Amino acid sequence: DIQMTQSPSSLSASVGDRVTITCRAGQSIAIYLNWYQQKPGKAPKLLIYAASSLQSGVPSRFSGSGSGTDFTLTISSLQPEDFAAYYCQQTYSTPSFGQGTKLEIK
Amino acid sequence: QVQLQQSGPGLVKPSQTLSLTCAISGDSVSSSGAAWNWIRQSPSRGLEWLGRTYYRSKWHNDYAVSVKSRITINPDTSKNQFSLQLNSVTPEDTAMYFCASGDGALGHAFDIWGQGTMITVSS
Repeated sequence: DIQMTQSPSSLSASVGDRVTITCRAGQSIAIYLNWYQQKPGKAPKLLIYAASSLQSGVPSRFSGSGSGTDFTLTISSLQPEDFAAYYCQQTYSTPSFGQGTKLEIK
Repeated sequence: QVQLQQSGPGLVKPSQTLSLTCAISGDSVSSSGAAWNWIRQSPSRGLEWLGRTYYRSKWHNDYAVSVKSRITINPDTSKNQFSLQLNSVTPEDTAMYFCASGDGALGHAFDIWGQGTMITVSS
């Protein structure tokens, strides 16, 4: 199994802030890295696939970058609906998830 | 538009078998571009991928090492659905269980999810 490590585990920010979440893979995964948003009581929602491709319908304030072992998710200007948990996932081999980042309102 | 609808009991007794079904609409379980996954989520384990089934000229299954001795995922082409069976459950299997489709065109990312089923293992 490929270990995925996210940081930070929690983050406080304000509406309008620029926020970056990082994800590190235990070995190179090329660009097989995806990002999800999850709100309480709901299934995760795909935001970014293949490290930097924006899923259809996802606002352009979300962006992803990276390759190999180090990846980032950036939200350029936080909106009230963005306060949620975020997870990275690798699909280079049998899938695995990071432990999550909880984004809270400051 | 692809949709996944989960069904199954929410309470399972220890040592018994957990069984869930995920019905597919808008796609085929035999689609050559998709993989059909089961994932669970608990506060102690976070999001944990359990396994998948997919068709590429023949049926394939992959399972997580953590549950490999206890899990079976089967496609049902007649009903266009897939199922999860987890044997010999313990309270540690208490979690929210999701099915999800992985799209090969999206690097196998999970673009469609079921609504989730809360499973409690208790006598």
